[in-house]
Amino acid sequence: AQSVAQPEDQVNVAEGNPLTVKCTYSVSGNPYLFWYVQYPNRGLQFLLKYITGDNLVKGSYGFEAEFNKSQTSFHLKKPSALVSDSALYFCAVSFRGNTGKLIFGQGTTLQVKP
Amino acid sequence: DAGVIQSPRHEVTEMGQEVTLRCKPISGHDYLFWYRQTMMRGLELLIYFNNNVPIDDSGMPEDRFSAKMPNASFSTLKIQPSEPRDSAVYFCASSRSGEETQYFGPGTRLLVL
Repeated sequence: AQSVAQPEDQVNVAEGNPLTVKCTYSVSGNPYLFWYVQYPNRGLQFLLKYITGDNLVKGSYGFEAEFNKSQTSFHLKKPSALVSDSALYFCAVSFRGNTGKLIFGQGTTLQVKP
Repeated sequence: DAGVIQSPRHEVTEMGQEVTLRCKPISGHDYLFWYRQTMMRGLELLIYFNNNVPIDDSGMPEDRFSAKMPNASFSTLKIQPSEPRDSAVYFCASSRSGEETQYFGPGTRLLVL
């Protein structure tokens, strides 16, 4: 079955330190990969996506993610975390030719402390 | 662009009542998705439309749930009768063919007492 896993329910980092939010997927074919962020009482906001090409994708607010086909991973990273980055992060996957139907991971809460 | 618009933002109702949630997708988008978010089950896709036609409603939990898209700029999700276990945040999202990225509305927080 197609699935997306975010192995950590919560990630805690200190402001100014690098952060990583992990995502792995189990799908057949060539997936499209996405990261979304959800702030409290808000909808999901698109951060970045990988479709094809360079494995390192840069997105909004200084975030980036690296697509690793051999490890079937798409980890979200940022060199220097801000307190304002504290939010719920979702990894998602869709499939070429599958009309954009997204499968979401369960979400990871990022807590950045001053 | 105004983004995806949802109404109401909050809804409190009593068990057994009918609830109607509304969504206006981004202009020019031909896909529309309805999701439900709960602590227990996370984000679940309920149904999605392409060019106003329902494509996949396998995520609709029960016959109490129905969704329509009478035109390209409006969709409704109806729950009749509502039950306390329907309490959740309901999101609408839209996308354009070939772009793959879905854009989400702010959600409707539903509480069924």
